[in-house]
Amino acid sequence: KQEVTQIPAALSVPEGENLVLNCSFTDSAIYNLQWFRQDPGKGLTSLLLIQSSQREQTSGRLNASLDKSSGRSTLYIAASQPGDSATYLCAVSWTNAGKSTFGDGTTLTVKP
Amino acid sequence: NAGVTQTPKFQVLKTGQSMTLQCAQDMNHNSMYWYRQDPGMGLRLIYYSASEGTTDKGEVPNGYNVSRLNKREFSLRLESAAPSQTSVYFCASSEGVLAGTQETQYFGPGTRLLVL
Repeated sequence: KQEVTQIPAALSVPEGENLVLNCSFTDSAIYNLQWFRQDPGKGLTSLLLIQSSQREQTSGRLNASLDKSSGRSTLYIAASQPGDSATYLCAVSWTNAGKSTFGDGTTLTVKP
Repeated sequence: NAGVTQTPKFQVLKTGQSMTLQCAQDMNHNSMYWYRQDPGMGLRLIYYSASEGTTDKGEVPNGYNVSRLNKREFSLRLESAAPSQTSVYFCASSEGVLAGTQETQYFGPGTRLLVL
């Protein structure tokens, strides 16, 4: 079964720290991987999408990497801010048919 | 450009009642999706529509039906609501398969459903 796992479920860091969120998937033959942010009571906002042929994507203070051989992706957040506090979800598509499997998310708290 | 909109925002049903959740997108996307999110969990795909006129089951389709009314609208119907269907429902859209590549999914704000 194709599964997506995110560990830890929750993470708390002081403001200014650099941090890494992890996403693992069971089948390396992915089509793409997407990182989302979800604020409490809100919908999901796409942060970065990595195609199967890519190794990383960057947007501002965010950098997402993909290592298909090990079945892992990481989301690196530089110089964290209290406004980064949210739940971060990883979603993997194994085909181009549009179906994505989501991890359960990591809830990040950045303390001032 | 409103993106993906969902109605209603919140609904309370009694067991056995029926209702339809509405979703519309104004981005001319081909593909649309319905997910549910239970507390502390990620999203699980209920149904999706790769293009207008087609629908397919996702991971948890039992108890639901969908209609792709046109390219803009994709509705989710609960024929006989059960307490296990208490959840937050999200609709999403993407350019989709017909665009040749699977692009970013854009999400609506969600519908919070409580079944008593």
